[in-house]
Amino acid sequence: EVQLVESGGGLVQPGGSLRLSCAASGFSFRSYWMNWVRQAPGEGLEWVANIKEDGSEKYYVDSVKGRFTISRDNAKNSLYLQMNSLRAEDTAVYYCVRDRWELSLFSPDTYTWFDPWGQGTLVTVFS
Amino acid sequence: DIQMSQSPSSLSASVGDSVTITCRASQSISIYLNWYQQKPGKAPKVLIYAASSLQSGVPSRFRGSGSGTDFTLTISSLQPEDFATYYCQQSYSTPRTFGQGTKLEIK
Repeated sequence: EVQLVESGGGLVQPGGSLRLSCAASGFSFRSYWMNWVRQAPGEGLEWVANIKEDGSEKYYVDSVKGRFTISRDNAKNSLYLQMNSLRAEDTAVYYCVRDRWELSLFSPDTYTWFDPWGQGTLVTVFS
Repeated sequence: DIQMSQSPSSLSASVGDSVTITCRASQSISIYLNWYQQKPGKAPKVLIYAASSLQSGVPSRFRGSGSGTDFTLTISSLQPEDFATYYCQQSYSTPRTFGQGTKLEIK
């Protein structure tokens, strides 16, 4: 069974740091792009960051650039999110999410989507 | 960044009804459009990818259509377990962006 289990969430003061972890199992972790997606309480979904299979490419949403760092350890089947300089607006459930992809039958396009999602870990930034 | 907008933000329907949710992209995204369902306290799960491809295990009453900037998710013969929040998401470019969600409630 493909499974993603996040950990590391908690309460932190503004300006503080947290490191989230995601343990992957049931699939070849090293063969997939991985993502972090967050959801503030009562709000919608926001993609935060992603990382290529070998860690050589990383992308971030503008609001976290320079503060968050995504990384992975393929030997440990683990994904991480180092969050520094946390703000109240970073309060959210953070989901670890795998990319799925499929080649188009009719063109050179590759379609991607998020599947599966972990259960999420709550980060609360409060003063 | 590509902006995604959904309508309506919420709707009420009865078991057995058919409903349609619309998603619009701020620029053409071909068919790089996915739909997710989220129930309270749970992680989202994918229903439709590439605008109209049904994810394995998802009931056939869910149907996606559209291309370019306009997309729809249609749920026919609503079942009690379908009452949830639905999100569209574009995978055309980074940052991957979501619509604001449509909450489907029981009438």
